[in-house]
Amino acid sequence: AQSVTQLGSHVSVSEGALVLLRCNYSSSVPPYLFWYVQYPNQGLQLLLKYTSAATLVKGINGFEAEFKKSETSFHLTKPSAHMSDAAEYFCAVSDPASGGSYIPTFGRGTSLIVHP
Amino acid sequence: GAGVSQSPSNKVTEKGKDVELRCDPISGHTALYWYRQSLGQGLEFLIYFQGNSAPDKSGLPSDRFSAERTGGSVSTLTIQRTQQEDSAVYLCASSLIGQRETQYFGPGTRLLVL
Repeated sequence: AQSVTQLGSHVSVSEGALVLLRCNYSSSVPPYLFWYVQYPNQGLQLLLKYTSAATLVKGINGFEAEFKKSETSFHLTKPSAHMSDAAEYFCAVSDPASGGSYIPTFGRGTSLIVHP
Repeated sequence: GAGVSQSPSNKVTEKGKDVELRCDPISGHTALYWYRQSLGQGLEFLIYFQGNSAPDKSGLPSDRFSAERTGGSVSTLTIQRTQQEDSAVYLCASSLIGQRETQYFGPGTRLLVL
């Protein structure tokens, strides 16, 4: 069984400030981990993914995340927030030994609010 | 190239009516997934298709929900005798056979059951 916990349903930052969105996972096997972004009235867009290669993963739009096995975490960061980063962010985990389906389990999402 | 498309984008229906939601995956993507996103909730897996294999229906919440995929491409999610709790955004995603961990999502269908 696998699960994802995203700490904080809302995170508010000022433009130019550090963005930190927290994600902790539970998995009985080494997982694949993902961050997705969802803008209003749109589907999900993959920001970045961890698939057992480098533990520091760089994604689109200046985001990155670090896989920390000891902490079972995969927090998403961005050094400087931009107004356009305001969106809903979802962390997800999937089991690479799932028979090829890779059906992910999603967290409940964190809404990022960026103040001017 | 074209992404995953879904239709209709919005659907309002009355309780008890049947609805059909359509998904057109990216050309060449053999894996197709349906998810449900309810207000304030994360995404809930519904069903998974892979090529000609039997679909994984383990996420369907009741027998009122069914889905099919014709010709390995277009998929239709059908909800019979809709209930108010079926109101949600229904998202479809597709992926390549060699990269099934990377899913591409459509914009979703927003279903409102009155």
